[in-house]
Amino acid sequence: GENVEQHPSTLSVQEGDSAVIKCTYSDSASNYFPWYKQELGKRPQLIIDIRSNVGEKKDQRIAVTLNKTAKHFSLHITETQPEDSAVYFCAAPKETSGSRLTFGEGTQLTVNP
Amino acid sequence: DAMVIQNPRYQVTQFGKPVTLSCSQTLNHNVMYWYQQKSSQAPKLLFHYYDKDFNNEADTPDNFQSRRPNTSFCFLDIRSPGLGDAAMYLCATSRDFSGEETQYFGPGTRLLVL
Repeated sequence: GENVEQHPSTLSVQEGDSAVIKCTYSDSASNYFPWYKQELGKRPQLIIDIRSNVGEKKDQRIAVTLNKTAKHFSLHITETQPEDSAVYFCAAPKETSGSRLTFGEGTQLTVNP
Repeated sequence: DAMVIQNPRYQVTQFGKPVTLSCSQTLNHNVMYWYQQKSSQAPKLLFHYYDKDFNNEADTPDNFQSRRPNTSFCFLDIRSPGLGDAAMYLCATSRDFSGEETQYFGPGTRLLVL
């Protein structure tokens, strides 16, 4: 089954700086990689995802890059704001033929004003 | 508009007293999932339904059961809750089971076991 590792576990940045969170996965056949943001006491919300036919995807201040050869993908947040403070989870499919997800352990991002 | 709804948002039960958590969806999605999330941890998949087909994760305790009476509703039954079952329980849905499907989460039910 898929194994997903996420780093760092905590990340503190100053408002306006960039933040980068990295994940590695084990199954080279995986082809879908979502990122979820979870604020304290709330549901995980999908913020961006990438499929294996592209290497990068951007949505305003958020971007995700995928390196299938190295089996890692990264979340990039530019011009961070205090409201970006949350726990971020990466995920990958447990198997290629289904939609069950394995989540990384999460990164607590704190953006200091 | 709420798309994945969970009730109640907070549930208190006693040690060993059965409890049922509910999830409903207005998305008409084929797949529904139940996750357990403990404090400061990632969501952990317990099981999922693809339409009426039930699929248990290998490490889900027998204490946890699920029912899906129709497309819209799915229930999580905890037969004899222990202190270690206190957690946030998240329901999620996806349109299908293709391997590239987005999962949409409900707000969760926080379970407290006394």
